[in-house]
Amino acid sequence: NAGVMQNPRHLVRRRGQEARLRCSPMKGHSHVYWYRQLPEEGLKFMVYLQKENIIDESGMPKERFSAEFPKEGPSILRIQQVVRGDSAAYFCASSPTGPGLAGGRNEQFFGPGTRLTVL
Amino acid sequence: GQQVMQIPQYQHVQEGEDFTTYCNSSTTLSNIQWYKQRPGGHPVFLIQLVKSGEVKKQKRLTFQFGEAKKNSSLHITATQTTDVGTYFCAGSGNTPLVFGKGTRLSVIA
Repeated sequence: NAGVMQNPRHLVRRRGQEARLRCSPMKGHSHVYWYRQLPEEGLKFMVYLQKENIIDESGMPKERFSAEFPKEGPSILRIQQVVRGDSAAYFCASSPTGPGLAGGRNEQFFGPGTRLTVL
Repeated sequence: GQQVMQIPQYQHVQEGEDFTTYCNSSTTLSNIQWYKQRPGGHPVFLIQLVKSGEVKKQKRLTFQFGEAKKNSSLHITATQTTDVGTYFCAGSGNTPLVFGKGTRLSVIA
């Protein structure tokens, strides 16, 4: 069973370009989460999606950022008109169940991350 | 909103010494999870605690969940160089996981 896959692993963009980050969850997982991590910092929640639906996007900036998880294919985190401050590691995680399932195992399985550098 | 605080931010120990990191939530949690991230790597799930006062052990690692389900700790006995990394706690209520900022552990051989 392949783990969570993310690509590209490294992405370099110039200011003003678009960045597209892809995440394929583990087989059988329908819950996907995106996190952002700055160097020496913790993981900041961005968005939680379940197949074709955005469940919680409270951590995602209102402008320039969007996420989708289509019925077929990977989840995509899209950053338009990137700025230097967008440089970070972006991790995707998947789980078989959603949060709030009391007593249930809902650990998240993380992908290797995409390191985005904006020049 | 829910906040999860972790201390210390950094810890340097001699190999063989013990290590403890503490996690506190501003709200009662339905469960707490612990993850480890090696330098340059991605977070890897270690354990989930669900019950009030729960204690779980994994070899040299001991995890505790407070009686009020608002705090937790991870204790490593006799650290080894393979324990190097950042340990994150993550709390879950009815919202997606809220991660603490982590405790970065360095082990000096």
